[in-house]
Order: sequence, then C-alpha cells, then structure tokens
Amino acid sequence: GENVEQHPSTLSVQEGDSAVIKCTYSDSASNYFPWYKQELGKRPQLIIDIRSNVGEKKDQRIAVTLNKTAKHFSLHITETQPEDSAVYFCAAIIAGNQFYFGTGTSLTVIP
Amino acid sequence: DVKVTQSSRYLVKRTGEKVFLECVQDMDHENMFWYRQDPGLGLRLIYFSYDVKMKEKGDIPEGYSVSREKKERFSLILESASTNQTSMYLCASSLSVGQNTIYFGEGSWLTVV
Repeated sequence: GENVEQHPSTLSVQEGDSAVIKCTYSDSASNYFPWYKQELGKRPQLIIDIRSNVGEKKDQRIAVTLNKTAKHFSLHITETQPEDSAVYFCAAIIAGNQFYFGTGTSLTVIP
Repeated sequence: DVKVTQSSRYLVKRTGEKVFLECVQDMDHENMFWYRQDPGLGLRLIYFSYDVKMKEKGDIPEGYSVSREKKERFSLILESASTNQTSMYLCASSLSVGQNTIYFGEGSWLTVV
C-alpha cells in the first residue's frame, strides 16, 4: 500500500514569515493530494488540494506544489498569522477510495 | 454543507466494556471511514466501508469491528475495551469512487480506565 511521510512534525515561525511542510509518497498510482488543517479540538478540514496532472495550485496565502517524478508535495503558507496555528495533515489518495495520511505537522505562529 | 455527526464527543469506559461509537452522514455518501488519531502517529485507518453491509479492514483493525446496516450510519465497535484503545476516533465519509473529498466528524474522545 501507500506510505506517506510528513516533515517536520513540529514547526514554529514568527508571524509574517513563511511556513513549508513537506510530504513524500511511495505509490505512483496516487493521483490526488489534499491538505487538511485541524485546529485544537476540531475536525480536520480541507484547505487545499492538488491533482496529479497539476504542478502547483495557489489559494491566497496557501499554495501546494507537486513533483510527481520525485513523489513529493509541499504546503506553503506565506505571511503567516496566529490563526494559522494548527495541525496540518497531508494525504495521498489512490483511485478515490484509499486515503493515506501523513503523521501531521503542528504549526505554531508566534505573534 | 456535508454533515458528519458523531453522537458521543467524550466517553469514559472501563476495561472489558463493549463500546459503540456511532457516526451518521447526511449526504448519501457511499464511502465511510473510521480513523484513530494519536499524537505523533497521525490518522490511522481502522476500517472503511464502500457500501451498505460491506466493510474492509484498514491498517489497524485488531480489537475493533464495524457495522453498516444503513447507508448513512457506520458504527465502530470495541468488543472488549482496553487501555491502549484510549484515543481520539474520527469518522469520515466521501461520495464515491473517483470523488476524492473526505469529510470528517468532530471526533470522539474515548478514555478506557
């Protein structure tokens, strides 16, 4: 099956700086890569996603890049704000049914 | 909005008790999932179901069973709870094969003493 590795496990940045979280996957059949944000005590929620036929996608301060050859994808958050503090999960999906999640990154934005 | 509802947010059970965690989704989704979330281990798939009465084991099915008698409801069962099953349990659903977005419930915090 798929194996998704996520780094770093914890990340602290100063408010206004950028944050980057990286994930690698093992199965070339994975074709969809969403990112979820989980605030303390709340459910994970989709923040951005990318499909295997696209190299980069941006939504305001959040962007995701995908390198299919190297089998890795990254979440980029620019101009970080305290409300960005949360746990972020990457995932790789095969055939729309099997979701494989990374182990999560706890991001702290220091005011 | 898709709604995935987990009936119990916080439970405390004794070792050996039988525990039922209920999950209901209101969007006619075919796929439903149960995950366990532990610090440093992320989200680990326990079981999933792609149709009524159908179930598939995930990565950590030992000590758990599931039931899907109706399309909207997916139950996780701990036949004999143990302390190492203390965790946060997340239910999720997605529409069908090829529809990738997964929606999560709020989670159920289970403590086994």
